[in-house]
Amino acid sequence: GAVVSQHPSWVICKSGTSVKIECRSLDFQATTMFWYRQFPKQSLMLMATSNEGSKATYEQGVEKDKFLINHASLTLSTLTVTSAHPEDSSFYICSARVGGGRETQYFGPGTRLLVL
Amino acid sequence: GQNIDQPTEMTATEGAIVQINCTYQTSGFNGLFWYQQHAGEAPTFLSYNVLDGLEEKGRFSSFLSRSKGYSYLLLKELQMKDSASYLCALMDSNYQLIWGAGTKLIIKP
Repeated sequence: GAVVSQHPSWVICKSGTSVKIECRSLDFQATTMFWYRQFPKQSLMLMATSNEGSKATYEQGVEKDKFLINHASLTLSTLTVTSAHPEDSSFYICSARVGGGRETQYFGPGTRLLVL
Repeated sequence: GQNIDQPTEMTATEGAIVQINCTYQTSGFNGLFWYQQHAGEAPTFLSYNVLDGLEEKGRFSSFLSRSKGYSYLLLKELQMKDSASYLCALMDSNYQLIWGAGTKLIIKP
């Protein structure tokens, strides 16, 4: 199956700093990538949909100025958490859509963010 | 709007068979997915159904009835490593996944 990587796998940062998370599709081109957030023992929550070469579409309640998404190429999307605060601590997971008759979303391994 | 229902938790015995049901309501449909998620890890893809019927893949099978808004994931010959959450997800007309809350499956020896 298709492989999606995420980097870093975990990060600890001080409150007020910015953190960038990369999501790469390693063996396929992904025109659409998705960013999710998951708090402990809760469901996946879609944050935004990222389309290559265009602005991301954010879900209701997600601040686009706080969670900056860039999908500059068909294999890379980045999520930057700006001015992170302790309440932003969560498990951030990206997925990449494989379409063209074999519709599937493959997930990256996730990034654990802890803001102190 | 869309709505997905699946049981919160199920318990089964090692070596047995378990069926996890998922019912949904939606106006747009581009398929039904099942994912497995172990604690602390990202989801991994199990199956995709877009046509009615049963898709078999090793010990796991998935069934879809579009007219009934119903799907199930069938796990055979259960192993302890199958203890995980199983997520039912509906792909809407915009190709976004709408997630169920997940079913936590507990396997007992």
